[in-house]
Amino acid sequence: QAVVTQPSSLSASPGASASLTCTLRSGTNVVSFRIHWFQQKPGSPPLYLMTYNSDSDKRQGSGVPSRFSGSKDASANAGILLISGVQSEDEADYYCMIWRNGAWVFGGGTKLTVL
Amino acid sequence: EVQLVESGGDLIQPGGSLRLSCAASGFSVSNNFMTWVRQGPGKGLEWVSVIYGGGGTDYADSVRGRFTISRDISKNTLYLQMNSLRVEDTAIYYCVRDYSDWGQGALVTVSS
Repeated sequence: QAVVTQPSSLSASPGASASLTCTLRSGTNVVSFRIHWFQQKPGSPPLYLMTYNSDSDKRQGSGVPSRFSGSKDASANAGILLISGVQSEDEADYYCMIWRNGAWVFGGGTKLTVL
Repeated sequence: EVQLVESGGDLIQPGGSLRLSCAASGFSVSNNFMTWVRQGPGKGLEWVSVIYGGGGTDYADSVRGRFTISRDISKNTLYLQMNSLRVEDTAIYYCVRDYSDWGQGALVTVSS
């Protein structure tokens, strides 16, 4: 089982909210990790969106709109990227990452389609 | 303004060697941790290596013993020396400062 798992795809309608999950393998407690989120559009390098650990320990990427926000669901052992008011330009691949044992561990990415 | 410009990508035969460079501007490579991340064709992101401000390094298991990360502070440049290249090393290699600044990438193709 991968250390970090993301659903492969998600669709959302313009104006709706989209919740992207980043689930950590059992034994890797989400409470103990900062979750980093990246957006990647075809043909471009990843764009840093944010880092979320708690409401008092979080960092937004430069120029990233506030409609992108982070949270954790401890019961699901998951980090969450919430996109409020989805726009067509949000269609992209989204990757989460944790820094574990000196290595960056990425999830497989979620392709967000805006219908 | 922070800029990262990778170079050195090429088509190389299996078993060959290649050195990637990442020229940095707008900051000093000695003051930040710098990372190489790669992305195979049609695949997700894969961490390759990191060099910390103090000079310590770490490697992914898939490249340990074959790749070496280094930096030249006088040139403000990050390097990735890649030896014993394999077909599965084919990827775009990105240079990253902290988490937030990514270069455009260098394409490495390993094929006979």
